[in-house]
Amino acid sequence: KNQVEQSPQSLIILEGKNCTLQCNYTVSPFSNLRWYKQDTGRGPVSLTIMTFSENTKSNGRYTATLDADTKQSSLHITASQLSDSASYICVVSALGFGNEKLTFGTGTRLTIIP
Amino acid sequence: GAGVSQSPSNKVTEKGKDVELRCDPISGHTALYWYRQSLGQGLEFLIYFQGNSAPDKSGLPSDRFSAERTGGSVSTLTIQRTQQEDSAVYLCASSPRAGVGLYEQYFGPGTRLTVT
Repeated sequence: KNQVEQSPQSLIILEGKNCTLQCNYTVSPFSNLRWYKQDTGRGPVSLTIMTFSENTKSNGRYTATLDADTKQSSLHITASQLSDSASYICVVSALGFGNEKLTFGTGTRLTIIP
Repeated sequence: GAGVSQSPSNKVTEKGKDVELRCDPISGHTALYWYRQSLGQGLEFLIYFQGNSAPDKSGLPSDRFSAERTGGSVSTLTIQRTQQEDSAVYLCASSPRAGVGLYEQYFGPGTRLTVT
């Protein structure tokens, strides 16, 4: 069964600090891995998409890494801001028959405190 | 431009009643997805539409759930004889197309359904 596990479940850090969120997956056959940010009461918004050949991808203060061998990904947030408070969801796509099947993690709830 | 919109934003209904949730995708997007997000759970795929192809209904949890997409645009998710376990946020997403590839999915704000 395809699964995506994220850790930690929740994290509280001081504004300005860095943090790293983890994602482990067992999805086959792998197509791509995505990180989404979901603010409370809103739909998820894409941060990065990576294929198996990409090891790292940045989007501003967000940097995602991917190790396709160990099936692990991380999302590093640099110089955190209050607006970074949200849930961060790791999503892994498996190749299907004419359609990608997305498997969602349960997310890491990040809270930035001043 | 306008993003994906959903209505209503909140819906409270009594157990046993039918509900309809609406999704307006981004104009020109041929693929449309419905997901369910229960408290403490990851998003759960329900159904997807791609152009005029038959929809992929493999994620619908029971025959009480159905969805339509009229004219390749607006979609309606219908839940008949609602149960308390149907309480969740229902999210709609649209994409320029579906299939293998890095096609971004753009999500709406969701409809929070509460069944009492």
